[in-house]
Amino acid sequence: DQQVKQNSPSLSVQEGRISILNCDYTNSMFDYFLWYKKYPAEGPTFLISISSIKDKNEDGRFTVFLNKSAKHLSLHIVPSQPGDSAVYFCAASANDYKLSFGAGTTVTVRA
Amino acid sequence: GAVVSQHPSRVICKSGTSVKIECRSLDFQATTMFWYRQFPKKSLMLMATSNEGSKATYEQGVEKDKFLINHASLTLSTLTVTSAHPEDSSFYICSASGRASYNEQFFGPGTRLTVL
Repeated sequence: DQQVKQNSPSLSVQEGRISILNCDYTNSMFDYFLWYKKYPAEGPTFLISISSIKDKNEDGRFTVFLNKSAKHLSLHIVPSQPGDSAVYFCAASANDYKLSFGAGTTVTVRA
Repeated sequence: GAVVSQHPSRVICKSGTSVKIECRSLDFQATTMFWYRQFPKKSLMLMATSNEGSKATYEQGVEKDKFLINHASLTLSTLTVTSAHPEDSSFYICSASGRASYNEQFFGPGTRLTVL
């Protein structure tokens, strides 16, 4: 039962443009959301997070938006850079510290 | 800060043997460690959660007698795959969280297990 869904398996974007990654969840108990970046044969690296009491969190080129009523969050990367090419995982937790992950979106930034 | 290491990074073993994977938090005390398994082009699937000094909590469908987890100290957790079979071949990743970052997990680089 996939409680966190990333429906776009891949995204291709031109360097300098905005990358928008989407994530939907079904568990209304989730109260903390995270985005991780993963290169091949490496573990995920924490990117940015957001608590359910907020609807936006920004860190440099990365901004996460949360729409609780729609059970939807998104990650915006602007401007996109070649080094951003990786797999991005959306994850959520429900106050029990366990993370449920989406299937990931592979981002390719074209020069 | 928040560095987690895993050893070995890659292991190949014969069917029927046991393999131990170590996960270490290098610069913080990990009150909780998690073990994940990732199949090709799939998400990370949580296998078990372990707290230092107590028994691990396994997710549904994960055989605790096959995947032995020990969390003997605040900086070390081990996963032993017992009597490994080819279907156990996978990418195993650990993560750790500490008192100051209970809601954030820091991941190790992963271990690629291949069972022949």
